Amino acid sequence: DVKVTQSSRYLVKRTGEKVFLECVQDMDHENMFWYRQDPGLGLRLIYFSYDVKMKEKGDIPEGYSVSREKKERFSLILESASTNQTSMYLCASASQSNEQFFGPGTRLTVL
Amino acid sequence: GENVEQHPSTLSVQEGDSAVIKCTYSDSASNYFPWYKQELGKGPQLIIDIRSNVGEKKDQRIAVTLNKTAKHFSLHITETQPEDSAVYFCAASRSNDYKLSFGAGTTVTVRA
Repeated sequence: DVKVTQSSRYLVKRTGEKVFLECVQDMDHENMFWYRQDPGLGLRLIYFSYDVKMKEKGDIPEGYSVSREKKERFSLILESASTNQTSMYLCASASQSNEQFFGPGTRLTVL
Repeated sequence: GENVEQHPSTLSVQEGDSAVIKCTYSDSASNYFPWYKQELGKGPQLIIDIRSNVGEKKDQRIAVTLNKTAKHFSLHITETQPEDSAVYFCAASRSNDYKLSFGAGTTVTVRA
């Protein structure tokens, strides 16, 4: 069974902390994505990656960065967390047909 | 960029009735339109998709229709069951682009 896993289901951090969200896929997909999900706004793309060490900004990259050192792992970094980054974060990887497989999500609360 | 609008935001139906969710898109170059279902506590999962070379696609109780001229597409669920209760998202993309633009989502509740 194909799988995308995320390092935490729930995370609570303080304003100004550096936050790492990890995502691992076991499908050998080249394309990986980070979204945030907020009520009434759907899924908004933060960053995506087409290959190892390659990254591109999505629609809302401000305040975030990413790292893709290995094909199976795509990390989202909040350099200095702020309260407006409290959200559900979803990682996905995509097959050649562009079917995206999502992880279960990380609910991040920034106090 | 692409803008996808989805309606309604919430939908309550009696078990056995049909549910219809509609989406419009802005980019005439978009030609891939997937639908995702998100159950409570889980990530979204693809349930059906359609490409612009067809106008309708069906898979058991779910179907999707596409009107490229009007730039809208719809999800139809027939004979709804309690397990159809979830949040549904439409999305759109171009064929040479792996980025998906998502609608805001529709929360479907099937009443027993």
